Amino acid sequence: DIQMTQSPATLSASVGDRVTITCRASQNIFAWLAWYQQKPGKAPKLLIQKASNLERGVPSRFSGSGSGTEFTLTISSLQPDDFATYYCQQYNTYNTFGQGTKLEIK
Amino acid sequence: EVQLLESGGGLVQPGGSLRLSCVASGFTFSNYAMSWVRQAPGKGLEWVSAISASGGTTSYADAVKGRFTVSKEISKSTLYLQMNSLRVEDTAVYYCAKAFGTISLFDYWGEGALVTVSS
Repeated sequence: DIQMTQSPATLSASVGDRVTITCRASQNIFAWLAWYQQKPGKAPKLLIQKASNLERGVPSRFSGSGSGTEFTLTISSLQPDDFATYYCQQYNTYNTFGQGTKLEIK
Repeated sequence: EVQLLESGGGLVQPGGSLRLSCVASGFTFSNYAMSWVRQAPGKGLEWVSAISASGGTTSYADAVKGRFTVSKEISKSTLYLQMNSLRVEDTAVYYCAKAFGTISLFDYWGEGALVTVSS
């Protein structure tokens, strides 16, 4: 099974900050990596697929990069609506989610 | 507009059974694979089961294999998850999710159904 490890588990930041979340795969998943955003009590929302392809309607301050085993999600300038939990997911072999990164207000 | 609406959650005793339903609208149900993904209270996301567009192929996480059964009723645009021999550790919000491009990438999710397994 492919394991996904996200870091950090919690990230404290302020509006306007640039933040980066990292996701590591236990084996090569090429670019088959997605990022989801989840707010409390709500369903996850797909932000990025195939490592760097932004879903329609997702603000351009979100970006994804990486391939192989190392991936990042970057938010260039945090907005109040961005405070949420973020999950990476590999879909190269079946699928596995990372454990999540909670982005909280500093 | 794509909509997924789950129902059938509730409180059940260990060893009991429950069937979840997910009614889909806004897309051609027969053209897309579907999955169930769960989230235990305060925990992360865990894929549970998937079914192909036609319903002919299914897959399960090891944690539920042999106990859960996924199915599709295309005429009703409805996805099901039959859950038997439920355990306390199956307690979670269960989301149905529509596949996008590949069976394992999810572009639309329902709002979830809470299943609580407790005596």
